Amino acid sequence: SYELTQPPSVSVSPGQTASITCSGDKLGDKFACWYQQKPGQSPVLVIYQDNKRPSGIPERFSGSNSGNTATLTISGTQAMDEADYYCQAWDSSIVVFGGGTKLTVL
Amino acid sequence: QVRLQESGPGLVKPSQTLSLTCTVSGGSISSAGYYWSWIRQHPGKGLEWIAYIYYSGSTYYNPSLKSRVTISVDTSKNQFSLKLSSVTAADTAVYYCARVWGQRIDYWGQGTLVTVSS
Repeated sequence: SYELTQPPSVSVSPGQTASITCSGDKLGDKFACWYQQKPGQSPVLVIYQDNKRPSGIPERFSGSNSGNTATLTISGTQAMDEADYYCQAWDSSIVVFGGGTKLTVL
Repeated sequence: QVRLQESGPGLVKPSQTLSLTCTVSGGSISSAGYYWSWIRQHPGKGLEWIAYIYYSGSTYYNPSLKSRVTISVDTSKNQFSLKLSSVTAADTAVYYCARVWGQRIDYWGQGTLVTVSS
């Protein structure tokens, strides 16, 4: 079965750039999405089709996808960005999530 | 604005069947191009996709759960449902219903905690 691998945790200082990776076999041949989930809340789509932002998502969120790795980049990270982030892709008609990365802003 | 709301028992006994319904408002479940999905999250863990369905009845299941899962749609009520049979404590989780569009999950319900316990 297809797997997506994320680092369990990433730390970043306020105002700096955070990068969260998601690795999978030939992931660059698929579209990657990213979801943000804050404690006690439902996930929110922040990036789709590798690098597109839904309406209402700040410009500081961006994405890329090439080779075996998709990356979520948060520029000028703010305290409110502290959350769990999940990547997601499709393997044929199957939805696959990464294990999630806890982003700490400190 | 599309809204999804899960409903169903919060407590299910082991070996029984978990049944949840998702009511969609603000849009038609029969609109072309949208798929309707169930996703769960074990306490303190990551997201696990369960299944999704098209309004026509086409279904897609997580292979690891397929033998125990049934997803169905009721277009007249603008609802879709999940049944998970032979539950154990390992099925205790927050269950989300969600909308899938263009290979992205763009709307999520608030989630409902289902506990499996005698």
